[in-house]
Amino acid sequence: AQSVTQPDIHITVSEGASLELRCNYSYGATPYLFWYVQSPGQGLQLLLKYFSGDTLVQGIKGFEAEFKRSQSSFNLRKPSVHWSDAAEYFCAVGAMGGGNKLTFGTGTQLKVEL
Amino acid sequence: DSGVTQTPKHLITATGQRVTLRCSPRSGDLSVYWYQQSLDQGLQFLIQYYNGEERAKGNILERFSAQQFPDLHSELNLSSLELGDSALYFCASSIAGALSYNEQFFGPGTRLTVL
Repeated sequence: AQSVTQPDIHITVSEGASLELRCNYSYGATPYLFWYVQSPGQGLQLLLKYFSGDTLVQGIKGFEAEFKRSQSSFNLRKPSVHWSDAAEYFCAVGAMGGGNKLTFGTGTQLKVEL
Repeated sequence: DSGVTQTPKHLITATGQRVTLRCSPRSGDLSVYWYQQSLDQGLQFLIQYYNGEERAKGNILERFSAQQFPDLHSELNLSSLELGDSALYFCASSIAGALSYNEQFFGPGTRLTVL
């Protein structure tokens, strides 16, 4: 069974600083990996996805993530954080077979200091 | 706006009651998924339907059931409600079937409060 670990529950960064949110997954085969963002009272918005190919993927809002098979990681990065990026970020892994369910990490709450 | 709609947005009810949550997937999407988000359990997969058929089950209680109708909208029925069922319930949809994997797009959720 697949699993996702997001080791950082809370992260605080200053506006304009760089950001890296960590995600480690466990899955036997090549995973389908996702980052979603949830603003307060809102649904989940897909930031980016990795299915195959180039291990550095670009997403919306200036985010990118890098798939590292050797480290079972899919960390999310942004070079310069904006105050509007304050939200909760979820890493998720999907798998074919037995349905296409997503398994989510526990989330990382991002606070941006002005 | 993801194109997935959910109604109602908020639902307040009492223990022991039954409620129905409704979801309309994005146009063209055949798969519908239900997830529960709670403080203690996080985001958990409940059930998936593909073109009217149940495809996969997750941590869904026996008191909960779902179905997908011919027009592809889906309903999640929660009965004999308990305080612990209070949560945000998300519906998601994707094109994905048995032979492909595609990203899921989430609706805004239904916040259920059981008093």
